[in-house]
Amino acid sequence: AQSVTQPDIHITVSEGASLELRCNYSYGATPYLFWYVQSPGQGLQLLLKYFSGDTLVQGIKGFEAEFKRSQSSFNLRKPSVHWSDAAEYFCAVGATENAGNMLTFGGGTRLMVKP
Amino acid sequence: DSGVTQTPKHLITATGQRVTLRCSPRSGDLSVYWYQQSLDQGLQFLIQYYNGEERAKGNILERFSAQQFPDLHSELNLSSLELGDSALYFCASSVGLAGRETQYFGPGTRLLVL
Repeated sequence: AQSVTQPDIHITVSEGASLELRCNYSYGATPYLFWYVQSPGQGLQLLLKYFSGDTLVQGIKGFEAEFKRSQSSFNLRKPSVHWSDAAEYFCAVGATENAGNMLTFGGGTRLMVKP
Repeated sequence: DSGVTQTPKHLITATGQRVTLRCSPRSGDLSVYWYQQSLDQGLQFLIQYYNGEERAKGNILERFSAQQFPDLHSELNLSSLELGDSALYFCASSVGLAGRETQYFGPGTRLLVL
């Protein structure tokens, strides 16, 4: 069965600083990988996804992520954080098992942005 | 706005009761998913329907059931509610069954069991 680990529960960065959120996955085949963001009281919004091809994926809001098969990682990065980026970020792996395609989520990383 | 709608937004009920959560997928999407988000369990997949048929089951309790109707909306029924069922319940939808497809999430229904 697949699993996702987000080692950092909380991260605080200063506005304008760079950001990297870590994600490690476990899955037997080629994974489909996703990053979602959840703002307070909101649903989940897709930032980006990877399923094949170029291992550096660009997403919305200036985010990017790099798939590294050798490290089983899919870390999310942003060069300059804005106060509006404060939210909870979830990494997920998608799989097609038993004719379904459920998402397995990591525990999430809560990002706080200092002015 | 993802295009996925969920009603109600909030629900407060008592232990032992039964509730129904409703989800309308994005126009054209055939797959509907239900997820539960709680403080102790995180975000967990419950169940998936595709064009009216159950396709995958996750950590869904026997007290919970779901269905997808011919107009593709879905309902999640929670019965014999316990305090631990208090959570945020998300519905998501996607076009089909491919694992690479984006799942679009609704705003969720927050359930509080007292």
